[in-house]
Amino acid sequence: DGGITQSPKYLFRKEGQNVTLSCEQNLNHDAMYWYRQDPGQGLRLIYYSQIVNDFQKGDIAEGYSVSREKKESFPLTVTSAQKNPTAFYLCASSTIQGARNQPQHFGDGTRLSIL
Amino acid sequence: EDQVTQSPEALRLQEGESSSLNCSYTVSGLRGLFWYRQDPGKGPEFLFTLYSAGEEKEKERLKATLTKKESFLHITAPKPEDSATYLCAVQALLDSGGYQKVTFGTGTKLQVIP
Repeated sequence: DGGITQSPKYLFRKEGQNVTLSCEQNLNHDAMYWYRQDPGQGLRLIYYSQIVNDFQKGDIAEGYSVSREKKESFPLTVTSAQKNPTAFYLCASSTIQGARNQPQHFGDGTRLSIL
Repeated sequence: EDQVTQSPEALRLQEGESSSLNCSYTVSGLRGLFWYRQDPGKGPEFLFTLYSAGEEKEKERLKATLTKKESFLHITAPKPEDSATYLCAVQALLDSGGYQKVTFGTGTKLQVIP
């Protein structure tokens, strides 16, 4: 079945540590996205990529980094500079067709907590 | 700035009791409005896309409608398995980087009691 796989499901970070969240898709989608979800807030965009080897900052990119070396993969690194990293992280992907981007499809998320 | 407001924040229904969820939006140049369902600990699951005022989409007990300022998700004769958080999102015109920004609302948490 085609879909988006995020791993791990749960992740714990120590102070001063960088951690990397994995996102893989087999939907052949061009665009991929990372969101952060906090209680009582809408999904907030961290980074997005519309093509391999290119990505753009979203609304809350500080303290995060990404890479897009393959079409299928878009890993997110939460660096020690992110002072409030505890959240539910969601990866999404979509096709891009002319003036109407197709809806984004999501993985099942990674919950990151601080030790 | 694009804004999406969903109401109510939470809704409790008896099984079979129909109701509607609201999504009001202000956006420069709407390109599409999306409805998602999200179960606890899971990612959002895509339900519908609406592109223009007057458009309607249906799926089982759910029906989504769109006007120039808001969208409604109507739930007819809900069942306990319809319990979830329902998210609305709007897609706006291209930004300078060619990206069609998507803005999400905070969702309506629906609970259907047997």
